[in-house]
Amino acid sequence: AQSVTQLGSHVSVSEGALVLLRCNYSSSVPPYLFWYVQYPNQGLQLLLKYTSAATLVKGINGFEAEFKKSETSFHLTKPSAHMSDAAEYFCAVSETGTASKLTFGTGTRLQVTL
Amino acid sequence: DTGVSQNPRHKITKRGQNVTFRCDPISEHNRLYWYRQTLGQGPEFLTYFQNEAQLEKSRLLSDRFSAERPKGSFSTLEIQRTEQGDSAMYLCASSSGVMGLYEQYFGPGTRLTVT
Repeated sequence: AQSVTQLGSHVSVSEGALVLLRCNYSSSVPPYLFWYVQYPNQGLQLLLKYTSAATLVKGINGFEAEFKKSETSFHLTKPSAHMSDAAEYFCAVSETGTASKLTFGTGTRLQVTL
Repeated sequence: DTGVSQNPRHKITKRGQNVTFRCDPISEHNRLYWYRQTLGQGPEFLTYFQNEAQLEKSRLLSDRFSAERPKGSFSTLEIQRTEQGDSAMYLCASSSGVMGLYEQYFGPGTRLTVT
């Protein structure tokens, strides 16, 4: 069985500040990991993915994430927040090799203030 | 690449009625997934197809729910005898299934409100 824990349901940062959204996973097999962003009343957009290649993954809109097996973490970061980054962010895991269903965390709402 | 499309975008129905949603995946994607998302939660897996074969169903998918993908292209999700607890956003996603390309691309969702 696999699961994802996102610490902090709400995160608020100032524009220009560092964004750090936390994700810890549990998986009985090597995982694939994903970060998605969701704007109000819209579907999910893929930000980045880890599929057992480089542990530091760069995505769209300046986001990146680092896979740390020893910590079972896949935290999302962005050096400088922009107002347009305000949205809901979801971390998800799927099993290597089957790549079937995604198991999502409960999400983190990012607020960006002036 | 026109993306994943879903219809309708919104559906309001009365308790006990049947509803059907449609999902058109990205062309040449052979995998199609359905998820349900309630307010304040992450999406929860319902079922997925590889081509026309339904390969996995969640325990969330009660016998009132049925999904089809008759020709391996579009898919429909039907809910019979809707209940207020069925109110949610229903999301469809597709992926290519090609080795190394496992990311799922999501449609805009269908928001169901059961009154």
